[in-house]
Amino acid sequence: NAGVTQTPKFQVLKTGQSMTLQCAQDMNHEYMSWYRQDPGMGLRLIHYSVGAGITDQGEVPNGYNVSRSTTEDFPLRLLSAAPSQTSVYFCASSPLGSGKETQYFGPGTRLLVL
Amino acid sequence: QQQVKQSPQSLIVQKGGISIINCAYENTAFDYFPWYQQFPGKGPALLIAIRPDVSEKKEGRFTISFNKSAKQFSLHIMDSQPGDSATYFCAASIEDNFNKFYFGSGTKLNVKP
Repeated sequence: NAGVTQTPKFQVLKTGQSMTLQCAQDMNHEYMSWYRQDPGMGLRLIHYSVGAGITDQGEVPNGYNVSRSTTEDFPLRLLSAAPSQTSVYFCASSPLGSGKETQYFGPGTRLLVL
Repeated sequence: QQQVKQSPQSLIVQKGGISIINCAYENTAFDYFPWYQQFPGKGPALLIAIRPDVSEKKEGRFTISFNKSAKQFSLHIMDSQPGDSATYFCAASIEDNFNKFYFGSGTKLNVKP
């Protein structure tokens, strides 16, 4: 049981480049979400999904796209990277029913946009 | 506007001392208040959580105190140990609202031996 996995661990992009941050979970959790963590700002919700085919925006969705084609995977896409998107990105998952209170976080992806 | 305000930003405590981290919120619809612990290079992990129907919850050396009227809650770490050195985040959510959590800004705790 690997839990929540994220790839890559670290990435450097140039302004305007695109990339996809991968997130997968093997716990059959319905709920998955993406956060960004910035110094002094805590974790801020970018997008979330309550199941395959269902996504919605969080607090800071601009510049990011998501899709959920399977229960296991929830990729985050940056279409045109900007320096303001330099951050550490965390993916999390939880069940929607019993146990929904606990979010399980991945190890994070550190992104630097030059 | 941050929904959950956390203080202090950093905290230094001697081994064996008490660490106290405070959080405040405005949205009275919040009904679940977890604390997460994060070690360097790792994702946050749930430490302890409370619902507003109780004023205190204790798990080992970790205690949450909750003041519903003041809209404040705090984490107390008794007999703090160097292994407790980490960043702590408070959070709040509305349980019916699809697990959307709002996090505080974090407190970096350093417990000196």
